[in-house]
Amino acid sequence: AQSVAQPEDQVNVAEGNPLTVKCTYSVSGNPYLFWYVQYPNRGLQFLLKYITGDNLVKGSYGFEAEFNKSQTSFHLKKPSALVSDSALYFCAVRDYNQGGKLIFGQGTELSVKP
Amino acid sequence: GAGVSQSPSNKVTEKGKDVELRCDPISGHTALYWYRQSLGQGLEFLIYFQGNSAPDKSGLPSDRFSAERTGGSVSTLTIQRTQQEDSAVYLCASSLGQGNPQGCTFGSGTRLTVV
Repeated sequence: AQSVAQPEDQVNVAEGNPLTVKCTYSVSGNPYLFWYVQYPNRGLQFLLKYITGDNLVKGSYGFEAEFNKSQTSFHLKKPSALVSDSALYFCAVRDYNQGGKLIFGQGTELSVKP
Repeated sequence: GAGVSQSPSNKVTEKGKDVELRCDPISGHTALYWYRQSLGQGLEFLIYFQGNSAPDKSGLPSDRFSAERTGGSVSTLTIQRTQQEDSAVYLCASSLGQGNPQGCTFGSGTRLTVV
């Protein structure tokens, strides 16, 4: 079965510092990987995706993610964190063997302090 | 519409009552998904619809939960005889098709509180 794992419940970063939110995956076949962000009392917003091609994917709000096949990872990164980046981040894999549903990690709470 | 619309945004109901949650997907999106987000937990898949195919109900937690999608557009998630453990945010998402490599677009959710 397809799955993703986010090993950190919470990540704390100082504003201006680089941030990384970790994600590892387990899939059969080619992975279709996504990152979503959820701000308080809001729905999920799409950040970026990896389907094929370059391993470094750039997305919204200055975020990027690196697909690493050998380590089965898809970590989310940003060179310089903003306080407004504080939110809940979800990694997901899209399972096309099960109707294309998204299978989510448990989420990582990112807190950026001034 | 421009996005996925869910209503109501908040619902407080008494234990034992039935509730209906509505999702209006993006026009032209044939795939529709329901998820549940409980406090302190991740996103739990409930059900998905693809065009006129039979829905995948494998994620529904009990027979008190049901959903339908009329005319391939609007979907209603019904919870009968609500229990306190049903309290959660219910999220709806749609996409161009189950095989489309793009992501899903989510609505803002319905926050259900059972008292």
